[in-house]
Amino acid sequence: DGGITQSPKYLFRKEGQNVTLSCEQNLNHDAMYWYRQDPGQGLRLIYYSQIVNDFQKGDIAEGYSVSREKKESFPLTVTSAQKNPTAFYLCASSLAGLDTQYFGPGTRLTVL
Amino acid sequence: EDKVVQSPLSLVVHEGDTVTLNCSYEVTNFRSLLWYKQEKKAPTFLFMLTSSGIEKKSGRLSSILDKKELSSILNITATQTGDSAIYLCAVPKAAGNKLTFGGGTRVLVKP
Repeated sequence: DGGITQSPKYLFRKEGQNVTLSCEQNLNHDAMYWYRQDPGQGLRLIYYSQIVNDFQKGDIAEGYSVSREKKESFPLTVTSAQKNPTAFYLCASSLAGLDTQYFGPGTRLTVL
Repeated sequence: EDKVVQSPLSLVVHEGDTVTLNCSYEVTNFRSLLWYKQEKKAPTFLFMLTSSGIEKKSGRLSSILDKKELSSILNITATQTGDSAIYLCAVPKAAGNKLTFGGGTRVLVKP
């Protein structure tokens, strides 16, 4: 069953803690992306990676970090430097050179 | 800076009605426009439009691009409660495959 999985589904974090959101895909896609969605708003790009061991900042990268050690995996760390991390986080992937992205089910992060 | 604007922000209709959603864009070196449907979690891909005036259709959903007006519309005919969702429009940036998303249109279909 091909697709994109994200875990956990819900995550609660205390202020000052770092948390890592998982994203895995078995679609053999080269590119992977992280987006943030706030209530009533569209998606904003945090980071993206077009090949293994390489990634670039998106529009709102401050307070976030990523790694891309394997083609299938693109974890996102929300650091304590992110001032307002409560949001819905979506991971996506695409084939190299193609515009259509496919999304995982998302992780809802709440800071207590 | 690339910009994608969707209207209306939200709308409420009754089953059987037809809805028309709008997406306008300002991007450098336009090459495509994508529509997604987001029910509760993952946005699911609906259409990708590249050529002006050619309608893409899937069941009761259809979409068309107007490059002269820098816009696209998404139509849903004979709406059903299962059409209730946020509809997102996105356009790729000139370099790479990063997408710029509009703010979405929230559609609620009442029985």
